[in-house]
Formats: sequence, C-alpha cells, structure tokens
Amino acid sequence: QQQVKQSPQSLIVQKGGISIINCAYENTAFDYFPWYQQFPGKGPALLIAIRPDVSEKKEGRFTISFNKSAKQFSLHIMDSQPGDSATYFCAASIEAAGNKLTFGGGTRVLVKP
Amino acid sequence: DAGITQSPRYKITETGRQVTLMCHQTWSHSYMFWYRQDLGHGLRLIYYSAAADITDKGEVPDGYVVSRSKTENFPLTLESATRSQTSVYFCASSESPAGGQETQYFGPGTRLLVL
Repeated sequence: QQQVKQSPQSLIVQKGGISIINCAYENTAFDYFPWYQQFPGKGPALLIAIRPDVSEKKEGRFTISFNKSAKQFSLHIMDSQPGDSATYFCAASIEAAGNKLTFGGGTRVLVKP
Repeated sequence: DAGITQSPRYKITETGRQVTLMCHQTWSHSYMFWYRQDLGHGLRLIYYSAAADITDKGEVPDGYVVSRSKTENFPLTLESATRSQTSVYFCASSESPAGGQETQYFGPGTRLLVL
C-alpha cells in the first residue's frame, strides 16, 4: 500500500520550460511534505518543504503548491535548466511520530538544452 | 567535515550470506535511518533509531537487523541475504524533530547485489 503516489515517473522538458510533478497522499495525519532531489550516484538532498497551513511556498525557481482538501501537492520547476536533470521525490511525515518519511516513487526529470 | 558516510559503496554477495552495511555520521545527530531504494518504489524505510540503544522498525524490516551502541554509528545487517534484497541502501541522519520536522541528511548509498 503506497501512501504517497507520485506522477509522472519521468518527464522531458526543454531548457527554460516548466517541470511539474504531482503527488497525492492518503493519510490525513501527514503534516510535513518535503521534496528531495537526487543526482545519479548520490544520496537524496532536501530541496524544499511545506506544511499544510500554507498553500504555496517558493524558493528561487522551485515552488510547492499544496491542496489540503484534495490531499495533493506538486512541485513546479520554473525556467528549467540542464542542471536540474535529476530524480525528484516527494515525501510526507507526521511530526508527532518522529521524523519518519514516506516517499513517493520518484520522477526522473531530463532537461534538454 | 565528513558528514555522513557509508561503507562499502558496492558489495556483491551470495544468497544466504550475512552482510553488514556501515553508516557513520560526524554531526552527533540523534536520529538515524536506513532506507532501501528500488525502481518504482522510491525510498522505503527499513529501520530507524531515535538515539543510542533505541531502534524501531520501519515499513520493510523483515530480513534486516540493526544496532546502535554509539550515537555516530548505525550498522545494518542482512542476516541471510536473499536476491530480493538486491537494492541501493541509504543511511540518513537528522537532529531530534522536537518542535518540528528536521531535515534528513543522506549518505552516498551502498549498492548491494545478491547473487
């Protein structure tokens, strides 16, 4: 039973375009939603995170949109660059249950120059 | 500034053998985690530890054993390796999440092949 479902599995975008990755969760107790970025041969690294008390968070070219009623959240990468080519994972956790993350299946993003 | 390291980086073993993957962090983080990464499944939590001598099961603990006698080390042992345990294993650490979530910092991973 996958509690966090991520789509698409892969996407190709032209340089300067917008990359959009979507995640849906089932457990309404989740209260922390981070996105991790992973380059080949490396471990994942935190990119940006959001809590359900806000609907949007922006850091540079990366934006998280959060829809609590739909139990969905998404990552938008604006002005995508070849250096953004990586695998992106959404995740969710329950603050009161410690720091355990439940990850989505991942999205491999390729930005073509 | 070593951060979090894992060893070995690559390991080939045979079915039925015992294998231990090592994880070491230099930040004195209280929390440590083991995940496995498989295509299509993202990362799945195997075991985690809130402090030395405190460990608990994650989503996929069967076939694995952990220990944490020192804050900085969190070894993962496959007692009798099976082919289904072929995967990339990541160790992570974080500060105590008291008062809010803390960023998890991941190691470089160990790629394990069980023949």
